[in-house]
Amino acid sequence: DGGITQSPKYLFRKEGQNVTLSCEQNLNHDAMYWYRQDPGQGLRLIYYSQIVNDFQKGDIAEGYSVSREKKESFPLTVTSAQKNPTAFYLCASSIASVASPLHFGNGTRLTVT
Amino acid sequence: KNEVEQSPQNLTAQEGEFITINCSYSVGISALHWLQQHPGGGIVSLFMLSSGKKKHGRLIATINIQEKHSSLHITASHPRDSAVYICAVRSIQGAQKLVFGQGTRLTINP
Repeated sequence: DGGITQSPKYLFRKEGQNVTLSCEQNLNHDAMYWYRQDPGQGLRLIYYSQIVNDFQKGDIAEGYSVSREKKESFPLTVTSAQKNPTAFYLCASSIASVASPLHFGNGTRLTVT
Repeated sequence: KNEVEQSPQNLTAQEGEFITINCSYSVGISALHWLQQHPGGGIVSLFMLSSGKKKHGRLIATINIQEKHSSLHITASHPRDSAVYICAVRSIQGAQKLVFGQGTRLTINP
């Protein structure tokens, strides 16, 4: 079955450590996205990539980094520069067309203490 | 003011009731999405529409472009419909970005 896999589901880190969240898709989608979800707020875009080896900052990119070395993979690194990293992170993908629906992973809940 | 506003924020109903969730937006859009998020966190795309009405099973989504308003209806609601329903719009300015509403938490009691 095609889909998006995010791992791990739960992640715990100490403050000051970088952490990388995995996102893999086998839908052959060109576009991939990372969103952050906080209680009482809508999803906010962190980074997106429309093609391999290219990505753009979203609305809240500070303290995050990404790479897109393969079409299937779009890992997100939460760096120690992110002031409030504890959140629920969702990865999504879509075909290149702007009129296409999004497919989401099941998310990673990151807790930093 | 948020560009996408949903109402109500929380909705509790009895099994079998007809449910309506509303979404109003303030920007020009190329498409509007309705999404469903279950307690585990994963999100499923329900509808993508740019005009008129779409139906899938017991779910119906409508959009009025002139009034900048969309509704999601659930007929014969069931406890398994309990979830957070999210409206998102694709702005014609930021074509690759979706702007999300805060979501409506729906609880259907048996």
